[in-house]
Amino acid sequence: DQQVKQNSPSLSVQEGRISILNCDYTNSMFDYFLWYKKYPAEGPTFLISISSIKDKNEDGRFTVFLNKSAKHLSLHIVPSQPGDSAVYFCASTNAGKSTFGDGTTLTVKP
Amino acid sequence: GAGVSQSPSNKVTEKGKDVELRCDPISGHTALYWYRQRLGQGLEFLIYFQGNSAPDKSGLPSDRFSAERTGESVSTLTIQRTQQEDSAVYLCASSLASLYNSPLHFGNGTRLTVT
Repeated sequence: DQQVKQNSPSLSVQEGRISILNCDYTNSMFDYFLWYKKYPAEGPTFLISISSIKDKNEDGRFTVFLNKSAKHLSLHIVPSQPGDSAVYFCASTNAGKSTFGDGTTLTVKP
Repeated sequence: GAGVSQSPSNKVTEKGKDVELRCDPISGHTALYWYRQRLGQGLEFLIYFQGNSAPDKSGLPSDRFSAERTGESVSTLTIQRTQQEDSAVYLCASSLASLYNSPLHFGNGTRLTVT
């Protein structure tokens, strides 16, 4: 039973356009949500997070939206840049333990 | 400042041998985590430490897997009698505190190949 799902294994967008990455979760006990970015042969690096008491958090080109009733979160990147090409993982946490999705590979074409 | 360091970066071993993977977390980080990523899959939780104690070992796949942490610092993940399905990238992460949703800081992982 996968508690965190990223249903799109891959996404391709044109440079300058918006990238929208989606994530669904099933455990209502999750209280904090994070997005990580991973380049090949490196560990994931933290990108942005949101608490369950909020519905939006913005940091520069990155915005995370949380819809608790739908148990859904999304990451918006605008404008997308070629350097954003990476694997993006969403993670949901409860009492500090993080559960990760399988990741979405984003390709931003110049 | 130094990030999370893992060694070795790559390990090839024969089926049935034991392997030991090492993680040096960021200094001062009290929480330490081990995850595994099989090819094309997500991050699978194995175990986490708060200080030197492991409150949650629920992710360890079998009794062939064990981990310890000493001095609230270095951790080792040991896999005994390795099997081919153990082949994966083993990622270590640390954070300031496990209870306050601090982001995880990951090392670059150890790629384990069991032949």
